[in-house]
Amino acid sequence: EVQLMQSGGGLVQPGGSLRLSCAASGFTFSTAWMHWVRQAPGKGLVWVSLINNDGRTTIYADSVKGRFTLSRDNAKNMLYLQMDNLRVDDTAVYYCARDGRSWGQGTLVTVSP
Amino acid sequence: DIQMTQSPSSLSASLGAGVTITCRASQTISSYVNWYQQKPGKPPKLLVYSASTLESGVPSRFRGSGSGTDFTLTISSLQPEDSATYYCQQAHSDSWTFGQGTALEIK
Repeated sequence: EVQLMQSGGGLVQPGGSLRLSCAASGFTFSTAWMHWVRQAPGKGLVWVSLINNDGRTTIYADSVKGRFTLSRDNAKNMLYLQMDNLRVDDTAVYYCARDGRSWGQGTLVTVSP
Repeated sequence: DIQMTQSPSSLSASLGAGVTITCRASQTISSYVNWYQQKPGKPPKLLVYSASTLESGVPSRFRGSGSGTDFTLTISSLQPEDSATYYCQQAHSDSWTFGQGTALEIK
């Protein structure tokens, strides 16, 4: 069974940093392209970032480019989203996803003074 | 970037009725469209992929269609558990784009 188990998140002040983690199991992680998608409270789904299977290629939404860094450790089946210089409008539930059918449970990031 | 324009933003329909949700892409994307159902506090659930292929385990009252730029999700014989928000998503480019969502209320 494919599982994506997220951790990290919480409350942080504007300008602060957080790292989200996503532990993968039930599939060959090293061959999978992975995404992060976020959802602000009461709002729709917004794609954030993508990393290819070997970690050499990353793509970011303009809204997070230069502030967020996506990485992976294929030996540990782990995906990481480092979020720096956080802003109030980064407040959202963040989901890791392998493809349309495999999603993490979501983790809430709250950026507030 | 590919934009996905979804309508309506909300709708209300009676138990047993049918509804249609539409999505228009800003450029042709072949059949690279997924449809999701999301309930509060849960991640999205894939209903339809490649525009018209029903995901395993999804009831047959859900049907997707379309290609190019225009896509639809049709739900027939509405059930109480269909109350949710529905999203389209383009998978033509590596960077996904979602529609704005359609909140469906079952009367």
